[in-house]
Amino acid sequence: KNQVEQSPQSLIILEGKNCTLQCNYTVSPFSNLRWYKQDTGRGPVSLTIMTFSENTKSNGRYTATLDADTKQSSLHITASQLSDSASYICVVSDRGSTLGRLYFGRGTQLTVWP
Amino acid sequence: EADIYQTPRYLVIGTGKKITLECSQTMGHDKMYWYQQDPGMELHLIHYSYGVNSTEKGDLSSESTVSRIRTEHFPLTLESARPSHTSQYLCASSEKGGFRRIDTQYFGPGTRLTVL
Repeated sequence: KNQVEQSPQSLIILEGKNCTLQCNYTVSPFSNLRWYKQDTGRGPVSLTIMTFSENTKSNGRYTATLDADTKQSSLHITASQLSDSASYICVVSDRGSTLGRLYFGRGTQLTVWP
Repeated sequence: EADIYQTPRYLVIGTGKKITLECSQTMGHDKMYWYQQDPGMELHLIHYSYGVNSTEKGDLSSESTVSRIRTEHFPLTLESARPSHTSQYLCASSEKGGFRRIDTQYFGPGTRLTVL
């Protein structure tokens, strides 16, 4: 069964600190992995997207890594800001269908305190 | 910022009412999607469309229906709302791509529906 598991479920950090969010998946055949940021009451916004051949991708203070062999990804946030408080969703796409089926994790709820 | 819009943003209605959730995008995307999301849970695909006059059911069984008469418009309708329909509904769109092309889905802000 294709699944995407994220950890931790929730995380509280102080402003300025770094943190790392984890994503493990069993989706096969793998096409790509995306990290989305979803603010409360808003739709998800894409942060990074990585294909099988990419093992790291940065977007400002966000750095995503991918290990396609172990089927693990992480999202590292450096020098956190209050505006980073949101849910971070790992999304994996397969290439077994024309639609490019997306499998969503439940997200990690990050709270940044001043 | 993606040009995809959803109305209303919040809706509270009584059981048995017919409702239509609107979704429009101005990016000319062929593919459009409807997702349902409960708090703390993953998004579930309930409907999608490859283009005009194309609609398909997603993975999560839903009593809602959709239509795609125009490229930019993908409304979702509930003929008779029930409390079990209470959820957040997210609309998304993406460009039409080939097998190896990665298409990013752009999400609208969502509609928070509460059925009393």
